[in-house]
Amino acid sequence: SQTIHQWPATLVQPVGSPLSLECTVEGTSNPNLYWYRQAAGRGLQLLFYSVGIGQISSEVPQNLSASRPQDRQFILSSKKLLLSDSGFYLCAWSVSGYYTEAFFGQGTRLTVV
Amino acid sequence: DAKTTQPPSMDCAEGRAANLPCNHSTISGNEYVYWYRQIHSQGPQYIIHGLKNNETNEMASLIITEDRKSSTLILPHATLRDTAVYYCIVITDSWGKLQFGAGTQVVVTP
Repeated sequence: SQTIHQWPATLVQPVGSPLSLECTVEGTSNPNLYWYRQAAGRGLQLLFYSVGIGQISSEVPQNLSASRPQDRQFILSSKKLLLSDSGFYLCAWSVSGYYTEAFFGQGTRLTVV
Repeated sequence: DAKTTQPPSMDCAEGRAANLPCNHSTISGNEYVYWYRQIHSQGPQYIIHGLKNNETNEMASLIITEDRKSSTLILPHATLRDTAVYYCIVITDSWGKLQFGAGTQVVVTP
């Protein structure tokens, strides 16, 4: 069966520090991968999506970047965190090629102080 | 992708059916209706989806009007664990790129 792993679960980082959140998927090949963010009291915002290794599309301009170095690995990064980067970050995957549902990880709650 | 409109909140008594409406009046012929829910501090969970026929699974039923401009998600016997934000999403993108709106906050009360 397919599983998605996302870590860490919680993270407190100072302003200006770097960030690296990792997400891996098991049990499937060539998945579509997504990063979402949910700020406190707000809805889910799609940040990045990827349909293959090295193929990243950004939905909104921001202080973050994403990379997909391997088929089932998706990384969210920042060189210097801002207070506004605080939020609940969710990784998700779906089967590529046709309509299907997305499966979400348990999320990382990031607090920038 | 077509936009959706949902009521911001709904209350439902435990054990009763919860009927969640969604308006998607600009939906086009190749767009699907998807429903997800998000329990507090968790990732969204897929519930059901449909194109034009009514659908049912172990979690819920989806009723889509004949003109496809609106739909209703039915939770047949709501439990306290069904308290969550429910999202109605219309999607054409074959990549499954989900754009979440504000959703409906459903509170199931004893």
